[in-house]
Amino acid sequence: AQTVTQSQPEMSVQEAETVTLSCTYDTSESDYYLFWYKQPPSRQMILVIRQEAYKQQNATENRFSVNFQKAAKSFSLKISDSQLGDAAMYFCASNNAGNMLTFGGGTRLMVKP
Amino acid sequence: GAVVSQHPSRVICKSGTSVKIECRSLDFQATTMFWYRQFPKQSLMLMATSNEGSKATYEQGVEKDKFLINHASLTLSTLTVTSAHPEDSSFYICSARPTGNSNQPQHFGDGTRLSIL
Repeated sequence: AQTVTQSQPEMSVQEAETVTLSCTYDTSESDYYLFWYKQPPSRQMILVIRQEAYKQQNATENRFSVNFQKAAKSFSLKISDSQLGDAAMYFCASNNAGNMLTFGGGTRLMVKP
Repeated sequence: GAVVSQHPSRVICKSGTSVKIECRSLDFQATTMFWYRQFPKQSLMLMATSNEGSKATYEQGVEKDKFLINHASLTLSTLTVTSAHPEDSSFYICSARPTGNSNQPQHFGDGTRLSIL
C-alpha cells in the first residue's frame, strides 16, 4: 500500500517570491515515480513535474523544481518567481508498478499580487 | 501531446437516473484507464481500474454494481452511475496511460461534474 501526505492545507506566497510545498510518502515499491499535479479552479489535472525514484538528480521544469530525499521519503516542490497563474491546488502523487496513482490531500496555493 | 477527452463535462439529473460518462484517448491506445472521484475541497480518490477486454478492478468500498465500468476498446472506457442519488453527486475524472510505455505518465480528462437532484 502507498500513502502520500501533504501537511500544508494552504500556503501563500508573494508574487515573484519562492515557495516550497511539502510532501512525504510511503511505499513498498522498489521502482516508482513521484509527481506533482496542479489543479486550477477549472479542475483540470495538469502535470507539473515528475521524478523517477531511481534517479538521484532532482527534476526541474523551468520555475518548478523538486527536492527528492529518497531515504527520508520526502518530495517537496519549489516554485520560483511565483506568478498569479500559479494559484491552484497542488497534489503530490506516487504510483506503483500497476501505475495506480495515490494522491496526497492537496495544498491550496495562493499568490498575492 | 496525448489527449484524453471526457464527456459530458456537466450533468444534472433527477434521482434514480442512470448516467454514463465516457473517457476517450484521442491519439493513443490505452489498455488501462482509471476512474477517480473528487469531493469538494478533497483529493482524488481512485474508484476503479478499467482494463480493456476484462473486468474492472474496484477499490475497497466502491460498489461495482453501482458504478459500472466498460472498457470495450483500446480508446474508450465508460463509467455508468446506476440509479444515481444525491450522495453520488461529485466530480468524476478519468485518466489513461499509453499502452506499452510504462514510462509515460497518466493523462487526465477534464472531468465530469455530476449533480443529482
